[in-house]
Amino acid sequence: SQQGEEDPQALSIQEGENATMNCSYKTSINNLQWYRQNSGRGLVHLILIRSNEREKHSGRLRVTLDTSKKSSSLLITASRAADTASYFCATAKPSNTGKLIFGQGTTLQVKP
Amino acid sequence: NAGVTQTPKFQVLKTGQSMTLQCAQDMNHNSMYWYRQDPGMGLRLIYYSASEGTTDKGEVPNGYNVSRLNKREFSLRLESAAPSQTSVYFCASSDRQGDQPQHFGDGTRLSIL
Repeated sequence: SQQGEEDPQALSIQEGENATMNCSYKTSINNLQWYRQNSGRGLVHLILIRSNEREKHSGRLRVTLDTSKKSSSLLITASRAADTASYFCATAKPSNTGKLIFGQGTTLQVKP
Repeated sequence: NAGVTQTPKFQVLKTGQSMTLQCAQDMNHNSMYWYRQDPGMGLRLIYYSASEGTTDKGEVPNGYNVSRLNKREFSLRLESAAPSQTSVYFCASSDRQGDQPQHFGDGTRLSIL
């Protein structure tokens, strides 16, 4: 069963605008990870945020985690056409078995 | 640095045929994983191997078998392919379980007629 649900399923913005994607999950986690997938390619890891962290930054990416609401958001600032991709959140349970549960993803289109 | 390499990239099978998907990583990672990705479903874990010599079932293991041949290689076998197994298959690896990012190959696109 899917742990994460992502919202929106699709997002279309203009270059230079910010893009925000949300992820909700159902059970306790050890960490939450965000991945990007370009068309026809494998997933690329973006950010990992642990359950005791509230916010992390990496370049133009900002991830927040609210464990009380069981939700996370990914913000991409000053988007570029090259950011066009699908974005997935994935959760790792506290049992630390290495298994990740992926959401269904948000498809982002950035128009030049 | 190749990372995670999957072969083949594309394959068409007939129902009932068997096939092995190959995966190799050159990052000296302990853990390896097989996922399938279907439209609108995200990725679902088929099997994983926490370390050389161990394998465990994931969310959707039925119809598949795996072999952790050595630390580098983790193969996925379909013994008797069914149309429901038409999907894109991804292999991934990570340094440790649970708290490290996974590194993915570019996938094998498998169609079963």
